[in-house]
Amino acid sequence: GENVEQHPSTLSVQEGDSAVIKCTYSDSASNYFPWYKQELGKGPQLIIDIRSNVGEKKDQRIAVTLNKTAKHFSLHITETQPEDSAVYFCAVAYSGAGSYQLTFGKGTKLSVIP
Amino acid sequence: SQTIHQWPATLVQPVGSPLSLECTVEGTSNPNLYWYRQAAGRGLQLLFYSVGIGQISSEVPQNLSASRPQDRQFILSSKKLLLSDSGFYLCAWRRWGTDTQYFGPGTRLTVL
Repeated sequence: GENVEQHPSTLSVQEGDSAVIKCTYSDSASNYFPWYKQELGKGPQLIIDIRSNVGEKKDQRIAVTLNKTAKHFSLHITETQPEDSAVYFCAVAYSGAGSYQLTFGKGTKLSVIP
Repeated sequence: SQTIHQWPATLVQPVGSPLSLECTVEGTSNPNLYWYRQAAGRGLQLLFYSVGIGQISSEVPQNLSASRPQDRQFILSSKKLLLSDSGFYLCAWRRWGTDTQYFGPGTRLTVL
């Protein structure tokens, strides 16, 4: 089955700095890569996703990059703010031919220091 | 728009007691439904998923079971809780034919 590794497990940055979280996956057939943000005591919320036919996607201060050859993708948060503090999960799915299986990384706890 | 509900929000149960957690989705038909468990400080473990009424697939053997009595209702149950069943239980849904999963607010279960 798919194996997803996420690094780092914890990350502290100063407010205004950038944060980068990286995930690697094992199955080259995987074609969908979402990122979720989970605040304390709440369910994960989708913040951005990318499909395998796209190399990069941006949404305001958040961007995701995908390297299919190396089988890794990264979340980039620029101009971090205290409200960005949360646990971030990457996930990987193969979606097609009636099949769908989403596998999550173990999460990164991001702390933005004011 | 679509909304997903879970209840109860928190639950404290003694070891050996039964369990019933409920998840409902509004604003969509025939969703794929999922139950996950999240242990403290850890990732998400898929427990069950369902592609339709009465259709349940189990990912992890355990003392939990799931049922889908209605199109937009997903129930997680146990006859006798174990200490190891403590955790944060999340329900999620996905529109058939699309990729994105949306999560509910979760239920915090503590087994004492």
